[in-house]
Amino acid sequence: NAGVTQTPKFRVLKTGQSMTLLCAQDMNHEYMYWYRQDPGMGLRLIHYSVGEGTTAKGEVPDGYNVSRLKKQNFLLGLESAAPSQTSVYFCASSYPGTSRYEQYFGPGTRLTVT
Amino acid sequence: DQQVKQNSPSLSVQEGRISILNCDYTNSMFDYFLWYKKYPAEGPTFLISISSIKDKNEDGRFTVFLNKSAKHLSLHIVPSQPGDSAVYFCAASTQGGSEKLVFGKGMKLTVNP
Repeated sequence: NAGVTQTPKFRVLKTGQSMTLLCAQDMNHEYMYWYRQDPGMGLRLIHYSVGEGTTAKGEVPDGYNVSRLKKQNFLLGLESAAPSQTSVYFCASSYPGTSRYEQYFGPGTRLTVT
Repeated sequence: DQQVKQNSPSLSVQEGRISILNCDYTNSMFDYFLWYKKYPAEGPTFLISISSIKDKNEDGRFTVFLNKSAKHLSLHIVPSQPGDSAVYFCAASTQGGSEKLVFGKGMKLTVNP
């Protein structure tokens, strides 16, 4: 069981470039989430998905798009990267209806936009 | 407006002593609260949680207390160990729906040997 994996681990982009971050989970979780963590800001929800083929906006969705074509994968896209998107990105997944509301996190992707 | 607040950015304690991490929330709709622990260069990991129908939940050295009237919760670690040194995040959720979590900014705990 790999849990939640994220690729790539690190990436440097120039302003205006695009990229896709991949999140994969092997726990058969229904719900998946993308967060960003910035110094002094905690974790902020970008987008989330409650099932295959469904996505919804979180707290800070601007500049990002997502897709959930397969239950185990959740992709985060940056169409035109900006320096303000320099951050550490975490993916998480959870199984709804459990008693603990626990989300399982991946190891993160550190993105720098120059 | 921040709905989950961790007002102290850091805490330093001696090994063997108690660590108390505090968290306040403003949204009265929150009914489930969680603590996560994060080491550098790793993702957050779940530590302990509490439902709003309880006022205390204990798991080994970790205890979370909830005071709904004050909209305040705290995490107690007894005894503290150097391996507990990490950033701790408080999070809150409402039951049902997408189970989204709202996180505080985090507090860095340092346990000195």
